[in-house]
Amino acid sequence: DTGVSQDPRHKITKRGQNVTFRCDPISEHNRLYWYRQTLGQGPEFLTYFQNEAQLEKSRLLSDRFSAERPKGSFSTLEIQRTEQGDSAMYLCASSLSPENSPLHFGNGTRLTVT
Amino acid sequence: QKEVEQNSGPLSVPEGAIASLNCTYSDRVSQSFFWYRQYSGKSPELIMSIYSNGDKEDGRFTAQLNKASQYVSLLIRDSQPSDSATYLCAVINAGNNRKLIWGLGTSLAVNP
Repeated sequence: DTGVSQDPRHKITKRGQNVTFRCDPISEHNRLYWYRQTLGQGPEFLTYFQNEAQLEKSRLLSDRFSAERPKGSFSTLEIQRTEQGDSAMYLCASSLSPENSPLHFGNGTRLTVT
Repeated sequence: QKEVEQNSGPLSVPEGAIASLNCTYSDRVSQSFFWYRQYSGKSPELIMSIYSNGDKEDGRFTAQLNKASQYVSLLIRDSQPSDSATYLCAVINAGNNRKLIWGLGTSLAVNP
């Protein structure tokens, strides 16, 4: 399977704990995106990378969120001191470099903060 | 006015009928348009991309783009119960750092 891979599929954590998610993009894709989605809403942009460079981060994203893509391949998204409002589906997507290339999504990580 | 608007639905069609999903966008210079299908609890799956005015067909799916009227539609022919899902319209907004702007989606129910 050469699609976008995300791990874990589900994560349940207690409020205040830190969590980290991993995304492996399609191998030839140099752009990688993180989105968050809650029920009944479209995906909400969090951040994106071109190769290892983080080019944009949503202003809605608090300092508790950080993302890395150290070698331009896989990426991690960390949420520190989780809050119940962080409960959502976290989606990773990748695309080729042209800006009009479509995004291909992984299966997502569903986070539940209790 | 939202940047990308879709009727939330639900749109209900009988099996075998044509389902028509519509999307309007506000940025006249938008360049790229995508339709994604999302099953409940799953991630979005790319169905169609379209970049120029007119129709683009792929199997049972046809995307129609009209830049003058600022709308893009998705037609699903011979609808099947397995087509029941939420369909998300997404637009690359040239005036917003070329970011992908999403509609909230239209829920489609195909009744056997």
